[in-house]
Amino acid sequence: ETGVTQTPRHLVMGMTNKKSLKCEQHLGHNAMYWYKQSAKKPLELMFVYSLEERVENNSVPSRFSPECPNSSHLFLHLHTLQPEDSALYLCASSPLIAGGANEQFFGPGTRLTVL
Amino acid sequence: AQRVTQPEKLLSVFKGAPVELKCNYSYSGSPELFWYVQYSRQRLQLLLRHISRESIKGFTADLNKGETSFHLKKPFAQEEDSAMYYCALRVGNQGGKLIFGQGTELSVKP
Repeated sequence: ETGVTQTPRHLVMGMTNKKSLKCEQHLGHNAMYWYKQSAKKPLELMFVYSLEERVENNSVPSRFSPECPNSSHLFLHLHTLQPEDSALYLCASSPLIAGGANEQFFGPGTRLTVL
Repeated sequence: AQRVTQPEKLLSVFKGAPVELKCNYSYSGSPELFWYVQYSRQRLQLLLRHISRESIKGFTADLNKGETSFHLKKPFAQEEDSAMYYCALRVGNQGGKLIFGQGTELSVKP
């Protein structure tokens, strides 16, 4: 599959569970992003990785832990989540071109429900 | 503060009518603005960016720095334009962080 893929597409977990979301891009991009999309709220940037280094952490609770082992893969490790963490989690990637208006390519998202 | 505001949650028009989706931004630097669109059951995708000054699917958007706006316009709406539209502001350098507005749902009725 080309573009940005995310697995799983749907996830239901209890508050004591540990799970991971996976994102993979086959576009040769060097930057990857995690966003949270909740009902009635705008898309919120959570983390940015540039050349496999975390360059942005938007005051995200520590129960969310990102990992970027290489430029093609991005994970979001989840543990002891709260019901209010239920949302659509979107992954995106973009090329790194200094000064350029770099388009971000989005995955289909993982719909997370925390019980 | 860096902020993007889309004042309308829902915009409903009839086919063939003009459409304007409003977007205002707040940013102290030189803004780079985008419109993203999400059609039903599809992923979020770029529609257009202000630096390209392009028209995509009949849509245009002009950056007005005086009014800090980047409204999306189309003279004659089509039913297939029905979707969620998000205005986004890029801040920072390489790659950069996108700040999104709340989104406007456009519904084009036959």
